[in-house]
Amino acid sequence: AQSVSQHNHHVILSEAASLELGCNYSYGGTVNLFWYVQYPGQHLQLLLKYFSGDPLVKGIKGFEAEFIKSKFSFNLRKPSVQWSDTAEYFCAVTQTSGTYKYIFGTGTRLKVLA
Amino acid sequence: GAVVSQHPSWVICKSGTSVKIECRSLDFQATTMFWYRQFPKQSLMLMATSNEGSKATYEQGVEKDKFLINHASLTLSTLTVTSAHPEDSSFYICSARSSGGPNTQYFGPGTRLTVL
Repeated sequence: AQSVSQHNHHVILSEAASLELGCNYSYGGTVNLFWYVQYPGQHLQLLLKYFSGDPLVKGIKGFEAEFIKSKFSFNLRKPSVQWSDTAEYFCAVTQTSGTYKYIFGTGTRLKVLA
Repeated sequence: GAVVSQHPSWVICKSGTSVKIECRSLDFQATTMFWYRQFPKQSLMLMATSNEGSKATYEQGVEKDKFLINHASLTLSTLTVTSAHPEDSSFYICSARSSGGPNTQYFGPGTRLTVL
């Protein structure tokens, strides 16, 4: 069965620190990959997505993610975090055909200290 | 673009009553909508996939008779929690996938259900 694991459940950083959140998935076929962010009290927003092509994907708010097929990974990065990045981050994977349903990771709660 | 709304945003009901939650895609057509449940400090758990004009596909362990899903049009799906009990209290989130569009889901703001 497909699964998505996010290794870091809670991350605390100071402003301007660099961020990397891990995401690994288990699925042998072709996948689409996503990172969503959920700010406190708000709904899920798409940060970035990978369908094909350049494995380094740039998203909104200075975030980027790199798809490494051989490692089944899609880690999220940001060179310098801000207090406003405090949120929960979810990695999601879906097949490229069929039901297109997402499999979500457990989420990483990021707290950025001012 | 790609806005999804949910109504109501929160609801409190008595045990044994039924509650209907609406999910609308406001500026696009969605042949497929998804219903999730999110427990506090946990990830989203897919409950069912809703396809316009056909029966919903439920995930394993989700009671289809308790969580009725109707996807009557390309912009509206409803989730009815029947005979609600306190253990049904949760945050219910829908998402919609654009018809013929890229494989991307757009999420609604969620509905907080509290069953007394």
